[in-house]
Amino acid sequence: GAGVSQSPSNKVTEKGKDVELRCDPISGHTALYWYRQRLGQGLEFLIYFQGNSAPDKSGLPSDRFSAERTGESVSTLTIQRTQQEDSAVYLCASSIGLAGGEQFFGPGTRLTVL
Amino acid sequence: AQSVTQLGSHVSVSEGALVLLRCNYSSSVPPYLFWYVQYPNQGLQLLLKYTSAATLVKGINGFEAEFKKSETSFHLTKPSAHMSDAAEYFCAVRGRPGANNLFFGTGTRLTVIP
Repeated sequence: GAGVSQSPSNKVTEKGKDVELRCDPISGHTALYWYRQRLGQGLEFLIYFQGNSAPDKSGLPSDRFSAERTGESVSTLTIQRTQQEDSAVYLCASSIGLAGGEQFFGPGTRLTVL
Repeated sequence: AQSVTQLGSHVSVSEGALVLLRCNYSSSVPPYLFWYVQYPNQGLQLLLKYTSAATLVKGINGFEAEFKKSETSFHLTKPSAHMSDAAEYFCAVRGRPGANNLFFGTGTRLTVIP
């Protein structure tokens, strides 16, 4: 079946612009995660959705970052007033939501802020 | 708080030699631990995981890892390196109990020398 998909694959924007990144999880996966991977660094947790529970936003680096998820489907990560330090690969993952369950990662969106 | 430390951002081994990638964790609760691999131009893929069952965990492609509570370690090993093992490897620990977001190490890039 289809894996996690993300769009766009690449995004170049100017400093100060807003961007929206999209994630389509695997069908039936109740949990969805956003991570950020800066060049040469590990993955940094951003936000986590589990079913209809309130999302865990504890990893969002600033109030310029927000995310939404419609039910158990698509999620959108929005970055307002982008800064150069926001340049990174943004990865989305989904899982069945059980403790220790495997997270399946999408290919990522490479964001470059000029 | 949960975190992992990967010692050595770059490791080089000869083809056929032992692969040892180090990971130490910090967790205030019994940890769930994971190793993910990222092949060039591909997404992250789960290699193996420890979720409080057997301490020696076997994964895909001949890799295994041993959970050692006394040493707070979860090192990844493979008896004989293959050229196809060249990739970046990430150790991760689950967040707080009841949550499934992961905290990743900074990664170890494995080079296999023919």
